[in-house]
Amino acid sequence: NAGVTQTPKFRVLKTGQSMTLLCAQDMNHEYMYWYRQDPGMGLRLIHYSVGEGTTAKGEVPDGYNVSRLKKQNFLLGLESAAPSQTSVYFCASSFSRLAGVPDTQYFGPGTRLTVL
Amino acid sequence: GQSLEQPSEVTAVEGAIVQINCTYQTSGFYGLSWYQQHDGGAPTFLSYNALDGLEETGRFSSFLSRSDSYGYLLLQELQMKDSASYFCAVRKDGYALNFGKGTSLLVTP
Repeated sequence: NAGVTQTPKFRVLKTGQSMTLLCAQDMNHEYMYWYRQDPGMGLRLIHYSVGEGTTAKGEVPDGYNVSRLKKQNFLLGLESAAPSQTSVYFCASSFSRLAGVPDTQYFGPGTRLTVL
Repeated sequence: GQSLEQPSEVTAVEGAIVQINCTYQTSGFYGLSWYQQHDGGAPTFLSYNALDGLEETGRFSSFLSRSDSYGYLLLQELQMKDSASYFCAVRKDGYALNFGKGTSLLVTP
């Protein structure tokens, strides 16, 4: 099993360009998440999905869109990139949502995005 | 709103014991998780507490006091490879985690 994979690993964009980050998981997890990580800020949730065809906003959703057309894939889109979106983006997935049961999130290797 | 507080940096000697504290304020609470992240790597799950008390997993233990909105991660017999960032995270509903800003642990010889 590959676990959680992310494409691409690195990307440099110019302000105003668009791109899509792809996350794929082969663990049959229902829940998938997109985070961004900036120095000194920890991980901040952008959007998440609780199942195929569903998405919800997280803590910092502005400037991003997501889609979950297939259970194993979760796409993060930047329609018009801005320098403030320079960050490391992590995708994660998890299985359990029951109270009291460990909600282990499995993270992908990250995408390092620079917007000039 | 929600907030988690943890020290930004901790330094300890190889072989020693170190405790990383986390206090939280949240409108909903299902449990407290701990994740480890090495430089340039992805976060990996370490431990989870839904109820008060101590959970032990090898050299790592995690404690939770729901009444005090407080938890800690205890690392014993520190090894050089334990140098990493450690994040506490609150599970506030059935789905999402809210992460703290992380504690950078440096283990010295």
